[in-house]
Amino acid sequence: EADIYQTPRYLVIGTGKKITLECSQTMGHDKMYWYQQDPGMELHLIHYSYGVNSTEKGDLSSESTVSRIRTEHFPLTLESARPSHTSQYLCASSEGQGGTGELFFGEGSRLTVL
Amino acid sequence: AQSVTQLDSHVSVSEGTPVLLRCNYSSSYSPSLFWYVQHPNKGLQLLLKYTSAATLVKGINGFEAEFKKSETSFHLTKPSAHMSDAAEYFCVVSDRWGKFQFGAGTQVVVTP
Repeated sequence: EADIYQTPRYLVIGTGKKITLECSQTMGHDKMYWYQQDPGMELHLIHYSYGVNSTEKGDLSSESTVSRIRTEHFPLTLESARPSHTSQYLCASSEGQGGTGELFFGEGSRLTVL
Repeated sequence: AQSVTQLDSHVSVSEGTPVLLRCNYSSSYSPSLFWYVQHPNKGLQLLLKYTSAATLVKGINGFEAEFKKSETSFHLTKPSAHMSDAAEYFCVVSDRWGKFQFGAGTQVVVTP
């Protein structure tokens, strides 16, 4: 069973607030990812990291930022939340050479901005 | 660059009949390919993966997929659908650096 944790699971906040979605994994994986998914829709990669101090923007433009100071921790921050940020955010990690390792997902953080 | 196309957004099958979910990919390199399933309000679960070994890959819950390089396809099949197979299914391709691209998903409905 995968050991990747996301908090909070659900968050309802007002416009303009700063939020941080936490993601931690205990598997020692170098690669970590953030995906955004609207209900019933596909997953869009918004950020990824190949290791400590490595962060890259994904295919979907996002106003969020990420950091990777420790291997196990990959938080996502929105400085000023807006209703357009309402979505589910999924964190994942993977191991293995290149892209051969599978993705392990957290249970997701469902964000609602009023 | 890489991409993945799931040819059906919705598939409806009767319980006990075969399931076929179609996936085509494009990749500049030899890709790794995966199928994930997402049940309502649940996390994503790996069904199976192809990483340049046997072209016919068996996964969990009776699912299997065949990698066909000449057709750039990785279709998912199951001989007999069960009610619990109702879910969203995603085909995923990854490049050699570990960047994963998801398809748009196929919603499977299973009728009694």
